[in-house]
Order: sequence, then C-alpha cells, then structure tokens
Amino acid sequence: EPEVTQTPSHQVTQMGQEVILRCVPISNHLYFYWYRQILGQKVEFLVSFYNNEISEKSEIFDDQFSVERPDGSNFTLKIRSTKLEDSAMYFCASKLNRGGNQPQHFGDGTRLSIL
Amino acid sequence: GEDVEQSLFLSVREGDSSVINCTYTDSSSTYLYWYKQEPGAGLQLLTYIFSNMDMKQDQRLTVLLNKKDKHLSLRIADTQTGDSAIYFCAESPSYNTDKLIFGTGTRLQVFP
Repeated sequence: EPEVTQTPSHQVTQMGQEVILRCVPISNHLYFYWYRQILGQKVEFLVSFYNNEISEKSEIFDDQFSVERPDGSNFTLKIRSTKLEDSAMYFCASKLNRGGNQPQHFGDGTRLSIL
Repeated sequence: GEDVEQSLFLSVREGDSSVINCTYTDSSSTYLYWYKQEPGAGLQLLTYIFSNMDMKQDQRLTVLLNKKDKHLSLRIADTQTGDSAIYFCAESPSYNTDKLIFGTGTRLQVFP
C-alpha cells in the first residue's frame, strides 16, 4: 500500500540553526499537510498546501516556518531559526482531494530535537 | 473553540472488548476519524465516519456517533495484544477547512 515517507526520522539541531524536514507524499495525492506533536501534548495542525500555495495555516506557523514543494515528489517544512520550543515530532500528511471522505494519510514523523 | 477530549488510559484483558471514548465541541464537524499510533510509528488511519451516520462497522471495529451529545466511540472486539497502542480521535471541523483537530489520545494496554 502506498505510504507517506518522512526523512530524517530524527534530527538534532543547535538552537538558531535552520532545519529542513522532508516528506514524500503518496504519489497521486494533491493536498499536503504538516502537523506537530510536542511531547505529552496533542497533535496540532500547522499548515495545509495545495496547488503550490498555502491553503491554511495555524497561529503556530509564523514567519519562521515555510513550506515548499520543490519538485513533483518532495514536500518540505523549513524552520529558519530554531528555538528550544520547536522540539517536537513533526508529521507530514497527504490526501487525494479536499473532501472529508478522503482521509489524510500520515508519515511516521520526524523527531526534531533542538539543543 | 474547537476541542476534542479523550480519556488517557484504558486497560483490558486479551479477548475482551475495548471501548475508547471521545467528545468534541464543534457542532459543525463533518467527518470524525480514529487513528492508531504504535510506539515509534506514525498515525495509522483506522476508520472514519461521516457526521450524518450513527454507526459504522469495519471487521473488529465499530464506531458509534452520538451527534446530539457530540460523543464518538471506538469499540474493538476481541482485543489482541497487538492492539496495544495510542488511539487518537480527530475531527474535521467544517466544510470550510481541511485541518484535523486531534484529541489527547488514549493509551490502550492489552494484558494477556
């Protein structure tokens, strides 16, 4: 069964450094998402992306965050200048179309640790 | 605002049924989902239900939706040790947004 893949599985970065998290969504999917889960807290929506632009973003997704689909397969999340509070598990998701009857499929996540 | 709540822990004996409960606040929810997260893994979609349905059955899984009380449950029949995981309830709040609002997750532990 096709799946969403995320790399790396674990990223350790010094505070203030830039980090790029990578995702390969399911190949025929058109809608892409990033979520994060701080340890012990809920999974939180960050951003949705369709047709090469952001569809919706949460309050968490400030100017330090950006997303990009640089080619036909990858979908990336960049954090420009990382803070300690960015430490979390980051999940990428994709789905075929906008309707709710097409559920979002998630990757295994990237654990980001900021030192 | 939008909020989804779940109890944190559930322990059951192998072979028994498990019932995981979820409450949500948004009356305009369109779809509600159940995801499973095993240790070190991502969020695996288990099942989902449209808000105009009361029940959905899929093999060992039964989803019940009480829209009036904004209560969703997931029943796992004949629970196995391999069902031990964290189960997340999530809602799609309205037709105007695509984001998912997740609950806190319920850790299910199955004893042999």
